[in-house]
Amino acid sequence: DQQVKQNSPSLSVQEGRISILNCDYTNSMFDYFLWYKKYPAEGPTFLISISSIKDKNEDGRFTVFLNKSAKHLSLHIVPSQPGDSAVYFCAAPLRSYGGATNKLIFGTGTLLAVQP
Amino acid sequence: KAGVTQTPRYLIKTRGQQVTLSCSPISGHRSVSWYQQTPGQGLQFLFEYFSETQRNKGNFPGRFSGRQFSNSRSEMNVSTLELGDSALYLCASSLISTNTEAFFGQGTRLTVV
Repeated sequence: DQQVKQNSPSLSVQEGRISILNCDYTNSMFDYFLWYKKYPAEGPTFLISISSIKDKNEDGRFTVFLNKSAKHLSLHIVPSQPGDSAVYFCAAPLRSYGGATNKLIFGTGTLLAVQP
Repeated sequence: KAGVTQTPRYLIKTRGQQVTLSCSPISGHRSVSWYQQTPGQGLQFLFEYFSETQRNKGNFPGRFSGRQFSNSRSEMNVSTLELGDSALYLCASSLISTNTEAFFGQGTRLTVV
């Protein structure tokens, strides 16, 4: 049962344009969402997050939008740069033991290629 | 401040062998989690340790085990290796268990032949 889904395995965008990466989730108990960026042969790097009490969070060129009714979130990168080319993972913490611990549930990732 | 350090970076093992991977978290971080990344399954949670205790466990067979030491360093062990265990094993550290933001190491690439 995939609780976090990224249905687009890849996305190609021209430099300077907007990149939009999508993520859907099924578990309505998720209260926080994170985006990670991953280069080959490296670990994921935290990018941006959003609490379920918000519908938007912005950090420089990166903005995450959350639509709780649709159980959908998206990451917007504006303007896109060649250095943004990487795999992007959407993730949500699944709480356990009354919130004493959590584990991250990851989507399968979207490979973003920004063409110069 | 040093990041999460995983050793070794690469390993090649034979089916049936066992392997031990090591993770040193960010200084001051007490929670260490392990994830397995494979092309087919993506990033899957293995287990989490906090203050030397396993706090959470994913859906992996008992061949996968781990431990955490008093200095928060963690090791994971895989016994009786199978070809399907070939993967990138990632360690993540957090200040405390309830932190949602985890910092990942570069991973150990395990190849089972």
